[in-house]
Amino acid sequence: AQSVAQPEDQVNVAEGNPLTVKCTYSVSGNPYLFWYVQYPNRGLQFLLKYITGDNLVKGSYGFEAEFNKSQTSFHLKKPSALVSDSALYFCAVRFFSGGYNKLIFGAGTRLAVHP
Amino acid sequence: DTGVSQDPRHKITKRGQNVTFRCDPISEHNRLYWYRQTLGQGPEFLTYFQNEAQLEKSRLLSDRFSAERPKGSFSTLEIQRTEQGDSAMYLCASSLGLAGAAGELFFGEGSRLTVL
Repeated sequence: AQSVAQPEDQVNVAEGNPLTVKCTYSVSGNPYLFWYVQYPNRGLQFLLKYITGDNLVKGSYGFEAEFNKSQTSFHLKKPSALVSDSALYFCAVRFFSGGYNKLIFGAGTRLAVHP
Repeated sequence: DTGVSQDPRHKITKRGQNVTFRCDPISEHNRLYWYRQTLGQGPEFLTYFQNEAQLEKSRLLSDRFSAERPKGSFSTLEIQRTEQGDSAMYLCASSLGLAGAAGELFFGEGSRLTVL
């Protein structure tokens, strides 16, 4: 079955330190992978996506993500965290099934950046 | 603002009442999605439209739920005889479906339903 896992409910990091939010997936075929961010009482905002090509993908707000096919992972990273990065982060995978593209989300990881 | 808009943002209703949510997608987007999000969970797929055709419905979408997109533009999601378990954030998203492309979804800010 197709699935996305975010193994950490919450990640705590000090401002200025690097951050990593983990994501692993299980999908047949070549996955399209996405990261979204959700601020309180707001909808999801697209951060970045991996389709093909370079395994390191750069996105909005200084975030990047590394696709690792052998480990079936797509971890979100940022070299230097900001307090304003504190939010809920969702990994998602898109796959083709039953004639249509489907997008499924992980349960989310809450990122808390402390001053 | 030319993003996805949803109305109302928050609806409080009594159990057994009907509620309807509206979604206006980005104008050139032909695909429209409804998701449901409960506290501490990621969005769960409910249904998907390509233009006016409803192409897929999740098993989460019981017969009390109905969605329409009559002219391929805005969409409505109606819940009949609401139950407390229907309390959630209902998210609408749209995308431009191009063959061979994996376009990202653009989400609205959601409609929060509270069933008392």
